[in-house]
Amino acid sequence: DTAVSQTPKYLVTQMGNDKSIKCEQNLGHDTMYWYKQDSKKFLKIMFSYNNKELIINETVPNRFSPKSPDKAHLNLHINSLELGDSAVYFCASSQDFNGYGYTFGSGTRLTVV
Amino acid sequence: TQLLEQSPQFLSIQEGENLTVYCNSSSVFSSLQWYRQEPGEGPVLLVTVVTGGEVKKLKRLTFQFGDARKDSSLHITAAQPGDTGLYLCTRVPTFGRGTSLIVHP
Repeated sequence: DTAVSQTPKYLVTQMGNDKSIKCEQNLGHDTMYWYKQDSKKFLKIMFSYNNKELIINETVPNRFSPKSPDKAHLNLHINSLELGDSAVYFCASSQDFNGYGYTFGSGTRLTVV
Repeated sequence: TQLLEQSPQFLSIQEGENLTVYCNSSSVFSSLQWYRQEPGEGPVLLVTVVTGGEVKKLKRLTFQFGDARKDSSLHITAAQPGDTGLYLCTRVPTFGRGTSLIVHP
C-alpha cells in the first residue's frame, strides 16, 4: 500500500502545453510538499501546504499552481510548459509543518520537447 | 533560505572501504536529517539528529551532529554496493546538494 503516490511517473509533452501532476498520501499527514529535482540532483522546495493552506511558496514562475482539495491531496498544475521545466518533480508529506521525517513519492519525470 | 554545504560531491570507492561525508552550515540547526536516494526513487529518511554532539548508529552507518549544531557527518563502515546512492542532508525544507556515492563490488 503506497504511502505517497504520484501520477504519472513519466510525462513527455510539447512546449506550450498545460499539464497536471497528482499526489495523494494515505499516512494521515497534515503537511504536503512539492519539490523540483534538476539534472544535477538538486532538490528545491517549491510549495508546501498544511491542512490545505499554503505555507511555503518559493520563487516559482506563476505558471506553476498547486491545488490542495483536501489534506491528503496536493496537485501541481503547470501552464505553458517550457524546456526549462524538464525535471523530476517529487511530492512529499510530513506529520506536521515542522517537517520531521518526510515521506517522498517516487517522482514524476517531466520532459518538455 | 539556509545554505547547506555537502562534501564531497562525488565519491567512488571499492567494497569494504570506509567513508565519511559532511554537511555544514553557517547557521545553527534546530535539527538535521539525512536521507538516501536511489536512482528512480524518492529520498528515504535515514535519521534525525537534534542534540548537539549526538551520535546515532544505523547498522554500518554512524551519524554525528556537531556540538555547535552547525555541522553533521555520516560515516559508513565497510561500504557495500547496496550503499550506492545520493546522500542528502536537510534542515527542512532546504536540502543540501548531496553526495553521490558509488560502491564498486
